[in-house]
Amino acid sequence: EPEVTQTPSHQVTQMGQEVILRCVPISNHLYFYWYRQILGQKVEFLVSFYNNEISEKSEIFDDQFSVERPDGSNFTLKIRSTKLEDSAMYFCASLAGGNTGELFFGEGSRLTVL
Amino acid sequence: GDSVTQMEGPVTLSEEAFLTINCTYTATGYPSLFWYVQYPGEGLQLLLKATKADDKGSNKGFEATYRKETTSFHLEKGSVQVSDSAVYFCALSGSFGNEKLTFGTGTRLTIIP
Repeated sequence: EPEVTQTPSHQVTQMGQEVILRCVPISNHLYFYWYRQILGQKVEFLVSFYNNEISEKSEIFDDQFSVERPDGSNFTLKIRSTKLEDSAMYFCASLAGGNTGELFFGEGSRLTVL
Repeated sequence: GDSVTQMEGPVTLSEEAFLTINCTYTATGYPSLFWYVQYPGEGLQLLLKATKADDKGSNKGFEATYRKETTSFHLEKGSVQVSDSAVYFCALSGSFGNEKLTFGTGTRLTIIP
């Protein structure tokens, strides 16, 4: 069964460092998303991406964040200068399109900022 | 804005017990409603969904009915198993289908033999 894969599963970084989280969505999907979950809190929407551009972003997704689909298969989330409060589980998701509403999620990348 | 309020956990039940996890929502328009499940070490998986009022979503013995009058989408299962131990997330999206999901906080369920 096709699945969304994310790497790394866990990354530890120092405050101020750049981090890139990688995702390989399901190959025929058209819509891509990043969500995050700070420990013990809600799963929060960060950004959606369609047709090679951001379609919607939340207030969390400030200038420190960027997304890219560099080669037609990978979908990356970059945090330019990490802060302690960026420590969270980051989930990538993809959607085929149409009115199905069924997002397929990856297993998540846990980011720990020290 | 849209929001989802979910029963706080953790919830611990004995095998074969009846399960209810409450979920209520606030949204404009006519959202679609979902329950996602996250098993240990895995990503979120869609468990069931309902796209309009009075629809009942069901899967793997779980059920939830879209109640517009009470803005609720409670998850139920008549007889839980140890393998149901997971974190359950209630979520909503706009009716168009490719809009972002708004999640509840998640409820951790542990079933003991």
